[in-house]
Amino acid sequence: EAQVTQNPRYLITVTGKKLTVTCSQNMNHEYMSWYRQDPGLGLRQIYYSMNVEVTDKGDVPEGYKVSRKEKRNFPLILESPSPNQTSLYFCASRRGQYTDTQYFGPGTRLTVL
Amino acid sequence: AQKVTQAQTEISVVEKEDVTLDCVYETRDTTYYLFWYKQPPSGELVFLIRRNSFDEQNEISGRYSWNFQKSTSSFNFTITASQVVDSAVYFCALSESGTGGFKTIFGAGTRLFVKA
Repeated sequence: EAQVTQNPRYLITVTGKKLTVTCSQNMNHEYMSWYRQDPGLGLRQIYYSMNVEVTDKGDVPEGYKVSRKEKRNFPLILESPSPNQTSLYFCASRRGQYTDTQYFGPGTRLTVL
Repeated sequence: AQKVTQAQTEISVVEKEDVTLDCVYETRDTTYYLFWYKQPPSGELVFLIRRNSFDEQNEISGRYSWNFQKSTSSFNFTITASQVVDSAVYFCALSESGTGGFKTIFGAGTRLFVKA
């Protein structure tokens, strides 16, 4: 089954404790992206990756890092989480072109105390 | 600059009513794609439709229909004979060729309540 998976689905952590949210897709998609969803703001793009070892900032990259060492994986790293990073996070992938439909993971609800 | 506006924050209707969700976008590109996604209470994002900037044909899929008008930069979504299962947050999104197609801008979403 074609899918995008994220782990963990729920996470409560404390300020400053490094964490990683994993994202994996099994569709051999070139393009992957991370979004955060906050009430009243919709989804905002954090980082995206056009292919292995190629990443770039989205609209809200501060406080986040990503890596793309393999085509299927695109982890989101919070080196020193802060309460304003409490949010619902979505990973997405698509085949390549902007014309293609993005497929979203199930979401990760992160709470930073 | 690219922007997507969904002016309706929340809409509440009674089952079987028709409802239209508005989406207005801004872009300087002539080539772009528009999308609608549904987010039910369970939280996942479900793709509904994709429309490219050169195709202004309206589309109907069952009870769903979309009206794309470049003249007003709008891509509105209508649900006919709404049902309780339509209760969700609906997002409109824009993807442009000018940014390499790598950025997607979402509207803030419209929360639809359908009451039995």
